[in-house]
Amino acid sequence: KAGVTQTPRYLIKTRGQQVTLSCSPISGHRSVSWYQQTPGQGLQFLFEYFSETQRNKGNFPGRFSGRQFSNSRSEMNVSTLELGDSALYLCASSLAVSGAVQETQYFGPGTRLLVL
Amino acid sequence: DQQVKQNSPSLSVQEGRISILNCDYTNSMFDYFLWYKKYPAEGPTFLISISSIKDKNEDGRFTVFLNKSAKHLSLHIVPSQPGDSAVYFCAASGQMNYGGSQGNLIFGKGTKLSVKP
Repeated sequence: KAGVTQTPRYLIKTRGQQVTLSCSPISGHRSVSWYQQTPGQGLQFLFEYFSETQRNKGNFPGRFSGRQFSNSRSEMNVSTLELGDSALYLCASSLAVSGAVQETQYFGPGTRLLVL
Repeated sequence: DQQVKQNSPSLSVQEGRISILNCDYTNSMFDYFLWYKKYPAEGPTFLISISSIKDKNEDGRFTVFLNKSAKHLSLHIVPSQPGDSAVYFCAASGQMNYGGSQGNLIFGKGTKLSVKP
């Protein structure tokens, strides 16, 4: 079974631009979560999508948004990029079986974003 | 306010010996704990997890111990191999996120393990 895939793997943008990152979860996985990793803050949760609905959100400004499609693929968008948005953006998927309370999240390789 | 703490940023171990990585948490609502291994420029790879109803879970060379009263968990790797050299992240989740299912993982800052031949 293929793992979580993310595109693009690397991206360079300038301040003020916007960017869209894509994530394809493991086949059959219905939940997709996004995380930001920076050297100073470590891995921080951005948001989680399930059945095309955002059902959990971390403490990030509104410039960070996402969506999920009917095939569970997800996109994350960052508008008005700032230098501090330079980071590794990771997507993770999980089965999200109904009634399960503990699920393992499986991560993709990440998208390295550099904002100049 | 760090809810999950890995106080040792690095650990160096000789090949064949035991590696012990530690993690402390503050939120008593956490009920599921995971360890991930991460190489540079790659996403975290799931290693092992433990539910709060258990105090030990073993998978091959990896064992995770949970001490709920101390809010402490540890990952033991025996025997350690050079290929185990990576950054190890402890993560936690709990039902307080929403509904009855985990929504997000809270990660520690990681411990860089170096296993010397």
